Amino acid sequence: AQSVTQPDIHITVSEGASLELRCNYSYGATPYLFWYVQSPGQGLQLLLKYFSGDTLVQGIKGFEAEFKRSQSSFNLRKPSVHWSDAAEYFCAVGSHNYGQNFVFGPGTRLSVLP
Amino acid sequence: DAGVIQSPRHEVTEMGQEVTLRCKPISGHNSLFWYRQTMMRGLELLIYFNNNVPIDDSGMPEDRFSAKMPNASFSTLKIQPSEPRDSAVYFCASKQGGNEQFFGPGTRLTVL
Repeated sequence: AQSVTQPDIHITVSEGASLELRCNYSYGATPYLFWYVQSPGQGLQLLLKYFSGDTLVQGIKGFEAEFKRSQSSFNLRKPSVHWSDAAEYFCAVGSHNYGQNFVFGPGTRLSVLP
Repeated sequence: DAGVIQSPRHEVTEMGQEVTLRCKPISGHNSLFWYRQTMMRGLELLIYFNNNVPIDDSGMPEDRFSAKMPNASFSTLKIQPSEPRDSAVYFCASKQGGNEQFFGPGTRLTVL
């Protein structure tokens, strides 16, 4: 069965600092991988996705993530955090099989200090 | 495209009342998902449909919850009778094939 872990429940960084949010997954085949962001009181918005090809994927708002098969990881990064990046971030794993479900991680809450 | 549409956006009701949440997926999407989000339990998948057919309802908490998808453009999640512990934000999401899920804005339910 698919599973996703996000080891960090809450991370605090200073504005302008770099950011890395960790995501590890368990899946028997090549997964589809996603990062979503949820601002307070809002729905989930897709930041980026990996299906195949280049293992470094670029997303919106200056985010990127790298798929490392050997580590079963898909960590999210941003070189310089802005105060508006404060939100909850969810990693998710899907399947190549039509109609298969997503599995979401528990989320990491990001706080940004001025 | 209007995105996934959910109604109502906010619902306040009294314990024991029936609550119906509505969702219109993105046109052309053939999978639809209902999630519940709370501070304590995070984001939980309740049920999902493929081509209007329920595939996995193992996340539905109990018989008080039911979901239907009578056609490709409409789904409902019903709670009858509602209880205070059902208070949460309920999200609907849709997708096409193996692509990413698109989320609606959510319905914030408060059961007094």
